[in-house]
Amino acid sequence: QVQLVQSGAEVTKPGSSVKVSCKASGGSFSTHSTSWVRQAPGQGLEWMGGFIPIYDKVVYAQKFQDRVTITADKFTTTVYMELTSLRSEDTAVYYCARAPLGYCTGGTCNPLFNWFDPWGQGTLVTVSS
Amino acid sequence: EIVLTQSPGTLSLSPGERATLSCRASQSLTSRYLAWYQQKPGQAPRLLIYGASSRATGIPDRFSGSGSGTDFTLTISRLEPEDFAVYYCQQYGSSPVFGRGTKVEIK
Repeated sequence: QVQLVQSGAEVTKPGSSVKVSCKASGGSFSTHSTSWVRQAPGQGLEWMGGFIPIYDKVVYAQKFQDRVTITADKFTTTVYMELTSLRSEDTAVYYCARAPLGYCTGGTCNPLFNWFDPWGQGTLVTVSS
Repeated sequence: EIVLTQSPGTLSLSPGERATLSCRASQSLTSRYLAWYQQKPGQAPRLLIYGASSRATGIPDRFSGSGSGTDFTLTISRLEPEDFAVYYCQQYGSSPVFGRGTKVEIK
């Protein structure tokens, strides 16, 4: 049974950065992508980007591509999400989620990201002066 | 970017009733890359349906998904007390997108 365990809550100041980790246990790291999804208080879900291990490839949502960096350590099966230039609107719960890889060939997969299952427990990031 | 519109925003029903949730895409979803999730307060989302109609492991058969093209539906045949929650549809593929959610509340 695959489980995703995220790092703990963070309180940060505007303009700073935050780095959240997501460690996978069980299952195969290389056969699943890992994405980051955030949820502001009382709001819906927003995909930020994801890591595709078979090609060491990262894809970002256009909205976040200037401020987010997703990295991975295959040896510790941990994926990281760093968000910079934080503002109050970035206050949210940040989730990691895995997806089985699609059909992969020639440097890409189809679909690039599949359905998300399982999800991590979430990490609350609070941006406040 | 594909936009998913969920309706209604809130559905007020009693246990035992049937719930029908709608998700409409701004353009046709080829290959039925559509998933449904359930989220309860303070919890991470849980996958219910993928491929528009395939139930995820362990999901009761009172949950069913249907649809193709731009119109998709999640049906809960008989609401159990634990089913009152927020439901999100999601288009997956090159750039995953979520709908804004439908809250199913107790009438």
